[in-house]
Amino acid sequence: AQSVAQPEDQVNVAEGNPLTVKCTYSVSGNPYLFWYVQYPNRGLQFLLKYITGDNLVKGSYGFEAEFNKSQTSFHLKKPSALVSDSALYFCAVRDMDSNYQLIWGAGTKLIIKP
Amino acid sequence: DAGVTQSPTHLIKTRGQQVTLRCSPKSGHDTVSWYQQALGQGPQFIFQYYEEEERQRGNFPDRFSGHQFPNYSSELNVNALLLGDSALYLCASSLVQGRYEQYFGPGTRLTVT
Repeated sequence: AQSVAQPEDQVNVAEGNPLTVKCTYSVSGNPYLFWYVQYPNRGLQFLLKYITGDNLVKGSYGFEAEFNKSQTSFHLKKPSALVSDSALYFCAVRDMDSNYQLIWGAGTKLIIKP
Repeated sequence: DAGVTQSPTHLIKTRGQQVTLRCSPKSGHDTVSWYQQALGQGPQFIFQYYEEEERQRGNFPDRFSGHQFPNYSSELNVNALLLGDSALYLCASSLVQGRYEQYFGPGTRLTVT
């Protein structure tokens, strides 16, 4: 069965420090991987995706993510955190060899402290 | 270029009533997916519409139904509302049944009392 795990409910980072939000996945075929961000009382905003190619994917607002096939991980990273990055982050996966339904993680609350 | 729009923004209904939520996809998109997001949780897939047909369905009862119109807009209908149906309902649009990224609307906050 397909699944996504975000092992940390909350991540706290000081402003200016690098941040990492973790995501691991399980699919039977090759994965399409996505990161979305959600601000309070708002819909989800697309950040970046991995489909194929370079394992390091760059996205919006200075975020990037590294695809690691052997560890089945797709961690979200940013070299220098901003207070405005504080939000809820969701990882999602789809098995490209089957249907198009996205499987979502439970979300990680990112708190950036000034 | 308008993004995904949803209406209404908020809705309060009584248990047992019926509700209809509406979604207009991003310009050029042909696929609409609906999600339910309970407070503090990730989105749960309800169903997806493509070419005016329900193509996939998540683990939701038949009380949840939908429709897609020729202009690709979509409706989500929920009958016999339960207290547990209170949630943020998100609409997402995409191309080719969501092969790539989906773009989300701001959501409709449904409260069932």
